[in-house]
Amino acid sequence: SAVISQKPSRDICQRGTSLTIQCQVDSQVTMMFWYRQQPGQSLTLIATANQGSEATYESGFVIDKFPISRPNLTFSTLTVSNMSPEDSSIYLCSVDQTEAFFGQGTRLTVV
Amino acid sequence: DAKTTQPPSMDCAEGRAANLPCNHSTISGNEYVYWYRQIHSQGPQYIIHGLKNNETNEMASLIITEDRKSSTLILPHATLRDTAVYYCIVRVSQSGGSNYKLTFGKGTLLTVNP
Repeated sequence: SAVISQKPSRDICQRGTSLTIQCQVDSQVTMMFWYRQQPGQSLTLIATANQGSEATYESGFVIDKFPISRPNLTFSTLTVSNMSPEDSSIYLCSVDQTEAFFGQGTRLTVV
Repeated sequence: DAKTTQPPSMDCAEGRAANLPCNHSTISGNEYVYWYRQIHSQGPQYIIHGLKNNETNEMASLIITEDRKSSTLILPHATLRDTAVYYCIVRVSQSGGSNYKLTFGKGTLLTVNP
């Protein structure tokens, strides 16, 4: 199994600002995933981040809004840019080794 | 869109078996059935997965029908801590290709009552 640490666990941000979420894994993994969970909704995949290559974004998500970094095999960041109240969600990092493991999420509130 | 169908909610008495159904009539031959659960305010937790044989681990049992079009997750002795949203997902088990990703549906909210 993999242990995933996310920072921050929660934040309240002003609209128009950006927040960078960090995800640290206790082992080297090839693929890391970022999900969004809007209030009362299920999880939606934002993008897949492979080390050494550009992240692959799902339909409806763009790099300018959600830039992702993947500098090594144990770490990734997701930035939520130019935030609006509609970005208020839980953002989750995940790694996949046949079965997926998830961080505890970052609860973001945009005011 | 999610490739599975689950009831939106179910209730179960504490100590009894909880049987959570899932329909996946369009499952492909190389796709596995995965189950995850999400306890309130936590990240999803892996429970079990299987291809066509029934599977059992320390958390649950997975029963897959012979035609693989449906499955049932069984929590043999439900406790209050099993109250969560349970997600049934189908996908291939090895990385590579767009169908490797996890596509979450709405899941089933299981409420275990004392």
